[in-house]
Amino acid sequence: QMQLVESGGGVVQPGRSLRLSCIASGFSFSTYSMHWVRQVPGKGLEWAAMISYDGGKKFYADSMKGRITISRDNSRNTLFLQMDSLRAEDTAVYYCVKDLSGSFDHWGQGTLVTVSS
Amino acid sequence: QAGLTQPPSVSKDLRQTATLTCIGNSNNVGNEGAVWLQQHQGHPPKLLSYRNNNRPSGISERLSSSRSGSTASLTITRLQPEDEADYYCSAWDSSLGAWVFGGGTKLTVL
Repeated sequence: QMQLVESGGGVVQPGRSLRLSCIASGFSFSTYSMHWVRQVPGKGLEWAAMISYDGGKKFYADSMKGRITISRDNSRNTLFLQMDSLRAEDTAVYYCVKDLSGSFDHWGQGTLVTVSS
Repeated sequence: QAGLTQPPSVSKDLRQTATLTCIGNSNNVGNEGAVWLQQHQGHPPKLLSYRNNNRPSGISERLSSSRSGSTASLTITRLQPEDEADYYCSAWDSSLGAWVFGGGTKLTVL
């Protein structure tokens, strides 16, 4: 069945970088756009970034633009999110999400990023 | 980025009907429509409906979505205890070039 497994979260100091990964299985990864969506514990959802099926188009939330980079490796069925200059307000669960006709079709379990000194 | 507007909470009795609203503008809900997601405590969200009010397979027929202008609605009939959850709407904003979310509605089934 369809599965998305995120990794790479953890505790990181403010100003440092972190790279999240998401390994996809159970569907044809290379034919779908993908998203990263984050959620501060106990709060709402916030879209972070989207990448087209071939990596040719990328979109970012203004709140994170310039500090994050979304990428993918279709040969390894893997989605990435590079996060730089991390701030306390970036503390959240980061979800890897498969797109379906411009919506959020399937979600991973998420990986928690905690930015703290 | 400007988000969509959802009421923070809605309470309804068991077996009644709940209608959740999501207000956007002509650049997002009014243009592309909205998607709806359900999230139970401690779990990732689940897609309930997407473009043109399509319902993914496995989603109960008690759920339906609609749109009037820049307001999207999710209607849940014959409320069950398992419907108690947080509900989020989202839409692509063509002006921002980004996806926007509502703040979420906590549905309580009494």
